[in-house]
Amino acid sequence: EVQLVESGGGLIQPGGSLRLSCAASGFTFNTYSMNWVRQAPGKGLEWLSFISGDTTTKYYADSVKGRFTISRDNVKNSLYLQMNSLRAEDTAVYYCARDLGPRIVVALDHWGQGTLVTVSS
Amino acid sequence: EIVLTQSPASLSLSPGERATLSCRASQSISFYLAWYQQKPGQAPRLLIYDASNRATGIPARFSGSGSGTDFTLTISSLEPEDFAVYYCQQRSTFGQGTKLEIK
Repeated sequence: EVQLVESGGGLIQPGGSLRLSCAASGFTFNTYSMNWVRQAPGKGLEWLSFISGDTTTKYYADSVKGRFTISRDNVKNSLYLQMNSLRAEDTAVYYCARDLGPRIVVALDHWGQGTLVTVSS
Repeated sequence: EIVLTQSPASLSLSPGERATLSCRASQSISFYLAWYQQKPGQAPRLLIYDASNRATGIPARFSGSGSGTDFTLTISSLEPEDFAVYYCQQRSTFGQGTKLEIK
């Protein structure tokens, strides 16, 4: 069974940093691209970042480019999102999701349960 | 940047009825469109990818169609568990969602 479990969320002050993790199991992690998607309270879905299975391809949404960094450890079967210079508008539930596509975002067929990040003083 | 516009924003139907949800792209996206279902407090679930392919485990009452700029998600006969928010997605863009409510 495919499982994705996010962790690392919490309350953080504006300007602070946070690192989210996503532990994957139940599939051959290094053969799948992965994504981060977030959802602000009461709002829709916002795609944030993509990383290919071999880590050579990465994409970012304009809203987080230069502040967020996606990475993965294929030995630990884990996906990460380093978030710097956090703003109030980054407050959201953050999901990791597996992608059907190898080099571009295609469709996200498995999602974690999400981790809440709250940016507030 | 491609914009996806979903309509209607909300839809009130009764169990057993047919639901038709629309997603329109601001420019042609061929057949590269996915549909998701999200229930309150849950992560989204992939229903359809590449416009018309049902994801693993998705009931046959869910179907997708369309190409180019106009796409449709059809639920042939609504079950109580189908009332949720539905999103379309193309690459890095999501639509704003359609809320399907019980009438």
